[in-house]
Amino acid sequence: KQEVTQIPAALSVPEGENLVLNCSFTDSAIYNLQWFRQDPGKGLTSLLLIQSSQREQTSGRLNASLDKSSGRSTLYIAASQPGDSATYLCVTMGGATNKLIFGTGTLLAVQP
Amino acid sequence: ETGVTQSPTHLIKTRGQQVTLRCSSQSGHNTVSWYQQALGQGPQFIFQYYREEENGRGNFPPRFSGLQFPNYSSELNVNALELDDSALYLCASSLAGRSGEQYFGPGTRLTVT
Repeated sequence: KQEVTQIPAALSVPEGENLVLNCSFTDSAIYNLQWFRQDPGKGLTSLLLIQSSQREQTSGRLNASLDKSSGRSTLYIAASQPGDSATYLCVTMGGATNKLIFGTGTLLAVQP
Repeated sequence: ETGVTQSPTHLIKTRGQQVTLRCSSQSGHNTVSWYQQALGQGPQFIFQYYREEENGRGNFPPRFSGLQFPNYSSELNVNALELDDSALYLCASSLAGRSGEQYFGPGTRLTVT
């Protein structure tokens, strides 16, 4: 059974800092891994999708890496802004039904 | 290109009642998945529909049921509502296949009193 863990559970940084969010998963037989952000009481916004054959993806100030063999992914946020404050979720897809397994989430607060 | 939409946005029901939530998938997507997110928790997979057939189910009782229509929109029905059913219900659409990126709707907030 896939388990996805994210560290840290919460993070508070001053504006402008670069930061790294960590994700680990127990079953390396995944098809892809997605990073989402969720604002309080809202739905999920997809940030980056990394296919199982890829090592990293970049979008603007965000960079996500994937190491399937070690069961790890990181999300790097450069030059953080208060608007980046949200919960970040690491999600793996695998199994016959493409079922998503959600991580425990990291609550990020960027202080102005 | 139209994104994933859900209705209603908020809903209040009484224990024992029945509820229907609706989801319109993103244009061109043929797969819809439903998730339940309790307050302070991560989303939990309820079930997935592909071409109008259920294509996998999580650990939810039979009183959670669904439908997918020929236009790929979907409904989630919950019978005999319980207080613990209070949650944010999210639907996600994608193209079938192992590389399919999931696109989520804004969710329906259900409160059971």
